[in-house]
Amino acid sequence: DIQMTQSPSSLSASVGDRVTITCRASQSISSSINWYQQKPGKAPNLLIYATSSLQSGVPSRFSGSGSGTDFTLTISSLQLEDFATYYCQQSYSIPYTFGQGTKLEIK
Amino acid sequence: EVQLVESGGGLGQPGGSLRLSCAASGFTFSSYSMNWVRQAPGKGLEWVSYISSSSTTTYYADSVKGRFTISRDNAKNSLYLQVNSLRDEDTAVYYCERVVHCSSTSCSFFDYWGQGILVTVSS
Repeated sequence: DIQMTQSPSSLSASVGDRVTITCRASQSISSSINWYQQKPGKAPNLLIYATSSLQSGVPSRFSGSGSGTDFTLTISSLQLEDFATYYCQQSYSIPYTFGQGTKLEIK
Repeated sequence: EVQLVESGGGLGQPGGSLRLSCAASGFTFSSYSMNWVRQAPGKGLEWVSYISSSSTTTYYADSVKGRFTISRDNAKNSLYLQVNSLRDEDTAVYYCERVVHCSSTSCSFFDYWGQGILVTVSS
């Protein structure tokens, strides 16, 4: 199985900050990584698919990059509604696997 | 508007069974693969099972293989997860998702999720 390791596990930041979350795959996954945002008590919401494609309706302050084993999700200027938990997920091979999550908190 | 609504959760006894359902609307259900993902209380997301649009292909996580069965009824726009031999570690919120396959190989993503249904395993 492909292991997905996110860092950091938690992060404190302020409104307006630029934030980067990293996900490392245990083997090359080409560009087959997606990113989801989850708020407490809610279902996850797709942000980015195939490394860098922005899902319809997602603000342009979210972006993704990387290839092979190392990937990043960047939020260019944090807004209040962005404080949530973020998960990466690989779709390169079954079983699909998620990172452990990064909790983004208000500083 | 795409909607996915799960039902059938609740309290199950260890060794018992439950059948989860996911009612889909707002899209051509028979054209899409579907998935189940679960989340134990306070934990991260765990992919559980996948079924192709015509039910010809199914996949399971090792943790549920042989105990869970995914199925669908395209005439009823419904997805199911039969959960047998329940264990304490099956306690979780179960989500159903629509799966989109990109034009390139090895690219899939889950673009719509249901609100989730809680399964609690306890005697």
